[in-house]
Amino acid sequence: TQLLEQSPQFLSIQEGENLTVYCNSSSVFSSLQWYRQEPGEGPVLLVTVVTGGEVKKLKRLTFQFGDARKDSSLHITAAQTGDTGLYLCAGAWDTGRRALTFGSGTRLQVQP
Amino acid sequence: NAGVTQTPKFRVLKTGQSMTLLCAQDMNHEYMYWYRQDPGMGLRLIHYSVGEGTTAKGEVPDGYNVSRLKKQNFLLGLESAAPSQTSVYFCASSGQGVYGYTFGSGTRLTVV
Repeated sequence: TQLLEQSPQFLSIQEGENLTVYCNSSSVFSSLQWYRQEPGEGPVLLVTVVTGGEVKKLKRLTFQFGDARKDSSLHITAAQTGDTGLYLCAGAWDTGRRALTFGSGTRLQVQP
Repeated sequence: NAGVTQTPKFRVLKTGQSMTLLCAQDMNHEYMYWYRQDPGMGLRLIHYSVGEGTTAKGEVPDGYNVSRLKKQNFLLGLESAAPSQTSVYFCASSGQGVYGYTFGSGTRLTVV
């Protein structure tokens, strides 16, 4: 069973601060995705990364895929209260099974 | 532009009762999934389907059954509900060559 570990589990910061969330595995991913989930809703896809070393930017969010494709990070610059939510990473491995395995998530609270 | 629709949104069951959760998608996606989300444990895969008429077990399939008689629908059944099945259930779908999932808004199930 492939496992995904996310850190930190909880993060409470002030508006305007920067933060980084990490996602790690001992296995090589074929692709990795980041989702954001708000209370009472399903997760919403933010980004997919597939190439080792890949960096993608989505406004104030920067996603990085490790060179060895075993880890990923999400960096938020100048956090806003609207960034509050649960951030989930999800990985796919080359096992022929298409379903994703999710990390346990990082709960982010941005204080005004 | 409905995406993935789950019904019902909330349900309370007594131990031993049965019920069916319905998931419907209007995006002509091949793949559909059922996950459960519990505090501190992220999303865990129950069952999934790679096409009409086919289903497969995920990480936590015990106590659940599924059917995919039509491409757009994926049903999750609980034959004899147990308190351990109290959770939030999410359905998701994805298309051929599309990495990301589209999630429904979830069903909150309480078994007493």
